[in-house]
Amino acid sequence: QVQLVQSGAEVRKPGASVKVSCRASGYTFTNYAIHWVRQAPGQRLEWMGWIHGGDGNTKSSQKFQDRVTFTRDKSASTAYMELSSLRSEDTAFFYCARGGNYGDLWGQGTLVTVSP
Amino acid sequence: EIVLTQSPGTLSLSPGERATLSCRASQSVSSSYLAWYQQKRGQAPRLLIYGASSRATGIPDRFSGSGSGTDFALTISRLEPEDFAVYYCQQYASSPLTFGGGTKVEIK
Repeated sequence: QVQLVQSGAEVRKPGASVKVSCRASGYTFTNYAIHWVRQAPGQRLEWMGWIHGGDGNTKSSQKFQDRVTFTRDKSASTAYMELSSLRSEDTAFFYCARGGNYGDLWGQGTLVTVSP
Repeated sequence: EIVLTQSPGTLSLSPGERATLSCRASQSVSSSYLAWYQQKRGQAPRLLIYGASSRATGIPDRFSGSGSGTDFALTISRLEPEDFAVYYCQQYASSPLTFGGGTKVEIK
């Protein structure tokens, strides 16, 4: 079955970091990029950046580039997004999505809550 | 950065009616690199349309996309009960990729 499965919900304190995983199955991981998208409560979707499953190239949105790191483990067909210096405004669902420039397959989302 | 403005914010319609959603870009979206997604409460977005007018795999033909340049539209020809959701447009012509604010299609 072609799918992306993300890691479970996380709770962090302000200033901490969080690492979210996205495991791919049912397709060739190295042929596609994985995008990361943030959605704060009641807000629009916000593109954070992508990593290519094959060569590991990355691109980040300027808004997040100082705080976000994208990595991948080809052997595990898994992509990771790490966001540092968390603040309350980072409380959101984080989604991974497969695709070139649009997401044709999405993970179920990971809720990250930032609270003192 | 290309800003996408969707209208209306909320569309109240009955099953069987036609829905037309608008997405306007702050500058021209080259090569019609525009996609539409549907998001239901508590779920991830689902790709409906890419390239402004191409339906994604498995999407019913009651969904159609149109437009070019700065003005795009998503039309649902006859609303089914499962179509009541929030719809987002996204441009992928230039970085950063950006999304519109969404249109909620609700049952009247």
